[in-house]
Amino acid sequence: EVQLLESGGGLVQPGGSLRLSCAASGFTFNNYAMTWVRQAAGKGLEWVSTTGSGGAGSYYTDSVKGRFTVSRDNSKNTLYLHMNKLRDEDTAIYYCAKDLAAGGMNDPSFDYWGQGILVTVSS
Amino acid sequence: SYDLTQSPSMSVSPGQTATITCSGDRLGDRYASWYQVKPGQSPVLVIYQDSKRPSGIPERFSGSNSGTTATLTISGTQAMDEADYYCQAWDTSTAWSVVFGGGTELTVL
Repeated sequence: EVQLLESGGGLVQPGGSLRLSCAASGFTFNNYAMTWVRQAAGKGLEWVSTTGSGGAGSYYTDSVKGRFTVSRDNSKNTLYLHMNKLRDEDTAIYYCAKDLAAGGMNDPSFDYWGQGILVTVSS
Repeated sequence: SYDLTQSPSMSVSPGQTATITCSGDRLGDRYASWYQVKPGQSPVLVIYQDSKRPSGIPERFSGSNSGTTATLTISGTQAMDEADYYCQAWDTSTAWSVVFGGGTELTVL
């Protein structure tokens, strides 16, 4: 059974940093691209970042470029999101999601999602 | 950047057909996926590659994509289908990115 379990969320002041983790199990982690998606309260889904199966090829939405870094440790089956210079508008539930197709990064869609972790940026 | 547009909300009576649309420039030239999001729950993939259903998704969910519009159709809508629905596509026109529509709130009443 595929499971994705996020951790590391919480309350942080504006300008602060946080690292989210997503522990994966039930599939061959290093074969799949992985993605972070967030949803602010009362808002829609927003793509944040995707990293390829081998860790090469990482992409970000414009609003987090230069502040967030996605990484993965395939030996630990874990995906990370390093978030720096956090802003109020980064407050959201963050989900990690698995790409449906193994291998490349073409035409992504996401067949498994974690339960989500809340990040609150506030003074 | 690439934008996907959805109507904010719609309602349907139980047993009727719900048609949720998603529009974008030449959307039919790329694959569309659809996600169901219920309050307090994680998104669920209901349609991928325009019209394919993942294992476990009921047959009443179907999809199509042509021209500038992708469509999610729920036939014989049930109360349990009340949720927000988001379309999603991949864009590489300027930079590699994933795009979600703004979501459609489906009310079954």
